[in-house]
Amino acid sequence: DSGVTQTPKHLITATGQRVTLRCSPRSGDLSVYWYQQSLDQGLQFLIQYYNGEERAKGNILERFSAQQFPDLHSELNLSSLELGDSALYFCASSVTRGGTDSGNTIYFGEGSWLTVV
Amino acid sequence: DAKTTQPPSMDCAEGRAANLPCNHSTISGNEYVYWYRQIHSQGPQYIIHGLKNNETNEMASLIITEDRKSSTLILPHATLRDTAVYYCIVRVTNFGNEKLTFGTGTRLTIIP
Repeated sequence: DSGVTQTPKHLITATGQRVTLRCSPRSGDLSVYWYQQSLDQGLQFLIQYYNGEERAKGNILERFSAQQFPDLHSELNLSSLELGDSALYFCASSVTRGGTDSGNTIYFGEGSWLTVV
Repeated sequence: DAKTTQPPSMDCAEGRAANLPCNHSTISGNEYVYWYRQIHSQGPQYIIHGLKNNETNEMASLIITEDRKSSTLILPHATLRDTAVYYCIVRVTNFGNEKLTFGTGTRLTIIP
């Protein structure tokens, strides 16, 4: 158990709909990362939040958005869903001490399976 | 982040040591080598990381060459539960660049 909690574990929804995935980071971790894993794309970095603010952005679609709340949990919002958005979505967290400290190990949750039909 | 090269697949007999190589010839002085694995469709699991020195923990050992251009992850006594995709990642951890960039990894199959 990594300590990162994601809900829901499975979700089936129709095209055009909107869903929200939730992530609770490990206790004390300030950074939250979102990744997408589809069959043909591997693990793709979407976005990172640090202490409530966006820190880094990857290949995140404009239909997707995320936020991190004051209690440090995060939500990934996926809208106008398409069949191709079906994937595993992982949340991860780290302390993020900054500088060149190697202690910023990132721990992953078990993922949310999204199926768009 | 520096690019890594790993063999796409490897087999190892159960109970033997599994040695997974990784080339990272363009690694910079401030980049760490991290190893993760993903068992089926579970979340990637952190294994070990290092900068220059060899490292060992309860899961594995990491051997980094002196020039840091390659490394080897060693699972000392492989079990069937070690069957997974193993990712070697080089990474800086300075502000704004903490993310992990995953490649295609090595699919390790432990043979009974």
